[in-house]
Amino acid sequence: DIVMTQSPDSLAVSLGERATINCKSSLSLFYSSDNRNYLAWYQQKPGQPPKLLIYWASSRESGVPDRFTGSGSGTDFTLTISSLQAEDVAVYYCQHYYNAPWTFGQGTKVEIK
Amino acid sequence: QVQLVQSGAEVKKPGASVKVSCKASGYPFSSHGLSWVRQAPGQGPEWMGWISAYYNGSTKYAEKFQGRVTMTTDTPTNTAYLELRSLRTDDTAVYYCARHRYGANMFDYWGQGTLVTVSS
Repeated sequence: DIVMTQSPDSLAVSLGERATINCKSSLSLFYSSDNRNYLAWYQQKPGQPPKLLIYWASSRESGVPDRFTGSGSGTDFTLTISSLQAEDVAVYYCQHYYNAPWTFGQGTKVEIK
Repeated sequence: QVQLVQSGAEVKKPGASVKVSCKASGYPFSSHGLSWVRQAPGQGPEWMGWISAYYNGSTKYAEKFQGRVTMTTDTPTNTAYLELRSLRTDDTAVYYCARHRYGANMFDYWGQGTLVTVSS
């Protein structure tokens, strides 16, 4: 099984500042036949299901603010929130969908400093 | 709009079974696969398995749940079901159904979740 490891486990960022979350996979998620990375990012707020933010490592889901950016390739990926807003307080998860079982990272909790 | 509406919370004793439903609306049910994902208190999501609503209910289960889980669909009612047997206290979690994006395996819509509590 592919293991997804996120860092840090939590971070506190001032309003308007940048938040950066890292995700490392134990196997490359790049599929050369279609030139895509099989990696998604989700946001989860308390009492809610996860919400898809980013897919194919860098494609933003419809309706997601452009302050959320996904980057990276192969085994190393990053989610960046360029200017943290109060409504961005949540836990963020990366998930691979390269092959089953489709596993998630352990999560990164983002709070306001 | 796409909606996945799950059945209500359950309380079960160890050794019992639970069946959770997920009723889909707002899209062609047979066009998208569905996964079941659970989340124990304070933990990250854990993928349990997938069912195709198209290929006569073809399934793929996580090895951890093989032999204890059954996923089914009822196409006329656009409903998917998760049955988990031989429940243990560590099966206490919120169980979600999640729709696969067409042609891919990221989860673009999620049910609201069903809390299953296993306690003696």
